[in-house]
Amino acid sequence: QVQLVESGGGVVQPGRSLRLSCAASAFTFSNYGMHWVRQAPGKGLEWVAVIWNDGNTKYYADSVKGRFTISRDNSKSTLYLQMNSLRAEDTAVYYCARIHCTNGACHLDYWGQGTLVTVSS
Amino acid sequence: QPVLTQSSSASASLGSSVKLTCTLSSGHSSSFIAWHQQQPGKAPRYLMKLESSGTYNKGSGIPDRFSGSSSGADRYLTISNLQSEDEADYYCETWDSNTQVFGGGTKLTVL
Repeated sequence: QVQLVESGGGVVQPGRSLRLSCAASAFTFSNYGMHWVRQAPGKGLEWVAVIWNDGNTKYYADSVKGRFTISRDNSKSTLYLQMNSLRAEDTAVYYCARIHCTNGACHLDYWGQGTLVTVSS
Repeated sequence: QPVLTQSSSASASLGSSVKLTCTLSSGHSSSFIAWHQQQPGKAPRYLMKLESSGTYNKGSGIPDRFSGSSSGADRYLTISNLQSEDEADYYCETWDSNTQVFGGGTKLTVL
C-alpha cells in the first residue's frame, strides 16, 4: 500500500537550518504532486508548500516563503523540505502528503506519519 | 482564497450518529472539499472527497458508517453507530489556486 515516511526532524536553534525528507513507496512517485503540511503543538493543520510532479512548479505559504524550499528527486521517490532561518514558530510536526487530482480538482489522499521539528535555544 | 469554517467541538453518545459541518466562505459554495480524521497522537487520514452535489468518494478502508452530504455552502460528514475509535479531530480541506486550505478542525468526543 502507499507509504510515506518522513525523517530529518529534531531540535535546532533559532536561525539554523534543517532538511526534511519523505520517502515514498508503492506508487509511481513521478506521477503525483506532493505537499508539506505542518501542525504546531495543540493546533490545527497548516499548509506549507506544494511541488508538482515535474518538480518545476512550486508554491509556498506566506509564513515560509523565502526561508523554506521544497524539492523532489523522482529517481529516488523522495520529497524534501529545506528549512532555513528557522524560528520558534516553525516548531511543529511536519507531514508530507500526496495530491490526488480529478479534472483539475485536487485534494490530499495519503499522509506520512510526521516528523517533529523543535526550534529552541 | 476560500475560508473553511468548522465548529471547534462536538459530542455524541456511543452507538449514536453525529453530523459535522464544514462551511465554505462566500463565493466558494460550489467547491468540493475533502474530510480527514486525526485520532489522538496519530497522523491525519483521508476519509472522503465531497462534491457540492453531495456525491462523495471514500478512501480505501473507510467504514460504511462514514458518509457525506452537501447543502449550499455546507459540507457534512455523518458518522453513524459511533465507536470509541471515532473520537478524533476532523478537518475539512479544499483547493484553490495551487494551495490547500484547511478548516480549523472539529474535536469529536464520544460519550
